Amino acid sequence: AQTVTQSQPEMSVQEAETVTLSCTYDTSESDYYLFWYKQPPSRQMILVIRQEAYKQQNATENRFSVNFQKAAKSFSLKISDSQLGDAAMYFCAYRSANNNNAGNMLTFGGGTRLMVKP
Amino acid sequence: ETGVTQTPRHLVMGMTNKKSLKCEQHLGHNAMYWYKQSAKKPLELMFVYNFKEQTENNSVPSRFSPECPNSSHLFLHLHTLQPEDSALYLCASSRPSRGSYNSPLHFGNGTRLTVT
Repeated sequence: AQTVTQSQPEMSVQEAETVTLSCTYDTSESDYYLFWYKQPPSRQMILVIRQEAYKQQNATENRFSVNFQKAAKSFSLKISDSQLGDAAMYFCAYRSANNNNAGNMLTFGGGTRLMVKP
Repeated sequence: ETGVTQTPRHLVMGMTNKKSLKCEQHLGHNAMYWYKQSAKKPLELMFVYNFKEQTENNSVPSRFSPECPNSSHLFLHLHTLQPEDSALYLCASSRPSRGSYNSPLHFGNGTRLTVT
């Protein structure tokens, strides 16, 4: 079974600075997808960025980018020019591309709470 | 407007009560999910429905009973719950899960359930 680990329960960053959230995962599969979700106090989980494992190029969405290291099974999220609205819980998630998978089985990490200081 | 609406937002119930959680999506998706989010634990998948058929039951106790009457609506019927069932219950939807492996999930705001 796959596992996803976020080793940082809490992180803080100064407004306008850059912060990196860590995520590692364990899998024996070669094809899969990785996601970062944000959960603000409103509780809604919002997709931030996704990465296909077969792509070597790191995904980028505006101020959010990832550092995907497939051999190391690492998928960190970098937030540049941090804003107060970035304060939230961030969850890393893994999904197999196995055709035998019963469904959209997202496996989530335990989350990292990001605080942004003004 | 999130596209996925959950009601009620908060629910307090006794262990002998029967209640239902409701989820509705307006995104044209055909896959719907229930997740449980407990304090200090990763999100746990409970149920998956594709085109109204249950395709995944992640060893959930029978006191949780899902119902998916159509692709836009999903219910979670609750009966004789335990205090440890207190959690945030999140509904999500996506394009059909098979063949759309990178299709992201769209979540609702959740129902905060407290069992007394």
